[in-house]
Amino acid sequence: GAVVSQHPSRVICKSGTSVKIECRSLDFQATTMFWYRQFPKQSLMLMATSNEGSKATYEQGVEKDKFLINHASLTLSTLTVTSAHPEDSSFYICSAHHQGGGAHEQFFGPGTRLTVL
Amino acid sequence: EDQVTQSPEALRLQEGESSSLNCSYTVSGLRGLFWYRQDPGKGPEFLFTLYSAGEEKEKERLKATLTKKESFLHITAPKPEDSATYLCAVQGYSSASKIIFGSGTRLSIRP
Repeated sequence: GAVVSQHPSRVICKSGTSVKIECRSLDFQATTMFWYRQFPKQSLMLMATSNEGSKATYEQGVEKDKFLINHASLTLSTLTVTSAHPEDSSFYICSAHHQGGGAHEQFFGPGTRLTVL
Repeated sequence: EDQVTQSPEALRLQEGESSSLNCSYTVSGLRGLFWYRQDPGKGPEFLFTLYSAGEEKEKERLKATLTKKESFLHITAPKPEDSATYLCAVQGYSSASKIIFGSGTRLSIRP
């Protein structure tokens, strides 16, 4: 099946530093990847859609300059949380779009737990 | 606006006690309805895609069904390892590749 990896799985950083999270599709090419944020006991909140070779599309209320997304190849998208603050602490999950049948199924990475001190 | 509502929010069952989870949706032209399983601290794991009313899919103790307004995830004779949060999501033709998630049902199976 379609496999998506994320790195790192867990990161702890000091306030004011930047953190980069990588999302890779391991056995398929993904022209589109998605970045989600999830708070405890809540569902996934879409942050942005990452398109290979073009600018990401951000959801309303998500700061573009705060969450930088780069989709440099068909198998890699990165999310950089710039000047992280404690309120950015969350579980970040990426997914890769894999077209199956008539619907565009998404396969998810294992997530990255970010803790900002 | 596309919407997904899942019920119940939480469900506790005894091992072997069958039940169903509900997913009600509104979407302008359904491209697909998805079910995912999510364990704590992990990303969602893909279970099923349903495309049209009347369709059914099965995987081990799980069976997903679809009507024009809702989907059910039936769990038959569940085991403790089936404990997880089950997420329903829809994709409409107008939303490109985006999918809209429901808030999930937290399922707990007691041995």
